[in-house]
Amino acid sequence: DSGVTQTPKHLITATGQRVTLRCSPRSGDLSVYWYQQSLDQGLQFLIQYYNGEERAKGNILERFSAQQFPDLHSELNLSSLELGDSALYFCASSVGGQNYGYTFGSGTRLTVV
Amino acid sequence: GENVEQHPSTLSVQEGDSAVIKCTYSDSASNYFPWYKQELGKGPQLIIDIRSNVGEKKDQRIAVTLNKTAKHFSLHITETQPEDSAVYFCAAVLTGGGNKLTFGTGTQLKVEL
Repeated sequence: DSGVTQTPKHLITATGQRVTLRCSPRSGDLSVYWYQQSLDQGLQFLIQYYNGEERAKGNILERFSAQQFPDLHSELNLSSLELGDSALYFCASSVGGQNYGYTFGSGTRLTVV
Repeated sequence: GENVEQHPSTLSVQEGDSAVIKCTYSDSASNYFPWYKQELGKGPQLIIDIRSNVGEKKDQRIAVTLNKTAKHFSLHITETQPEDSAVYFCAAVLTGGGNKLTFGTGTQLKVEL
């Protein structure tokens, strides 16, 4: 157990729907990062939050949004889902905002049908 | 932004042999280079990292070397074992707020008996 908890582990939904992925960072970590992993794209950075505030943004689609709550857990919202959104979504956390030593969760596998 | 290239994409070695995975990065300002191991069904796990003020770092059977001039770094695994079979990712970043960890495309390592 890495200490980073992601729920749910698996999610199957239909095109056009909206889902929410949840991440609880490791105790003491203030930064949360979201990554998308698909077979042909590797690990793609989506967004980073540090202590509740957005810190960095990657190639995150406008249909996707995220936030980090006062208790430091984070949620990634994916809407108007398309088949191409099927992927593994990973959350990682680190102590500060400096990008050292990410700890990854075990991921949420999203399948859009 | 940073771009990281990783080679080879697949690597097959005999148990007990050494394995070397190479990465190059584009941003000469990058100063932190971690390596992650991802086993099937799990999230990436940090196995070793190196900072730009160090040329080599070793941890038991794993070592990482960094050549700042050439902008490349390598992972060396000696005395490979079947449990080393996994996907390995290199990454690079200029640490600091707003900078994202950029991953290579991964190397599937298979250690054969």
